[in-house]
Amino acid sequence: AQTVTQSQPEMSVQEAETVTLSCTYDTSESDYYLFWYKQPPSRQMILVIRQEAYKQQNATENRFSVNFQKAAKSFSLKISDSQLGDAAMYFCAYSPSEGSGGGADGLTFGKGTHLIIQP
Amino acid sequence: DGGITQSPKYLFRKEGQNVTLSCEQNLNHDAMYWYRQDPGQGLRLIYYSQIVNDFQKGDIAEGYSVSREKKESFPLTVTSAQKNPTAFYLCASTDGSLAKNIQYFGAGTRLSVL
Repeated sequence: AQTVTQSQPEMSVQEAETVTLSCTYDTSESDYYLFWYKQPPSRQMILVIRQEAYKQQNATENRFSVNFQKAAKSFSLKISDSQLGDAAMYFCAYSPSEGSGGGADGLTFGKGTHLIIQP
Repeated sequence: DGGITQSPKYLFRKEGQNVTLSCEQNLNHDAMYWYRQDPGQGLRLIYYSQIVNDFQKGDIAEGYSVSREKKESFPLTVTSAQKNPTAFYLCASTDGSLAKNIQYFGAGTRLSVL
């Protein structure tokens, strides 16, 4: 079974600074997807960024980027120029690809990192 | 607007009572999911359905039941067999293009025991 581990229960960063959230995962598959979701106090889950394992290039979305290390099974999220609106719980998640026999079987989530933005 | 609607937002259950959480989507998505979230925990998969009239158990299906009679709807029943039902419940869906694997979530239902 796949597992996702987020070792930082809580992180704090000054506004406008850069912060990196860590995520490691365990899988025997070679093709899969990784995600970072944001859950603000409203509890609504919002997709931040998605990475396809077969792609070498790290995904980026504006101020959000990932450092995907496939061999190390590491998938960290970097938030640049942190803003007050970035304060939330951040969840790392894994999904097998359809080529691995999965793809629509649900996501496996880490326990989350609570990100605090200090003004 | 297209999206996923969960109702009610808050729900209270008495001992021995079954309660049903509603999840409706107008995104024309094939697959739908139910997750449970406890404090300090990530989301755990309860049930999922890839097509109408078919569904599979997730990691924590005991004490729950679902149905998928329509593509748009995937209600979750928390039965009296679920001894610790207090949690936040999230419904999600994904489109038929499995290459995307992106799940879209509703706003959730908070269930508490009276």
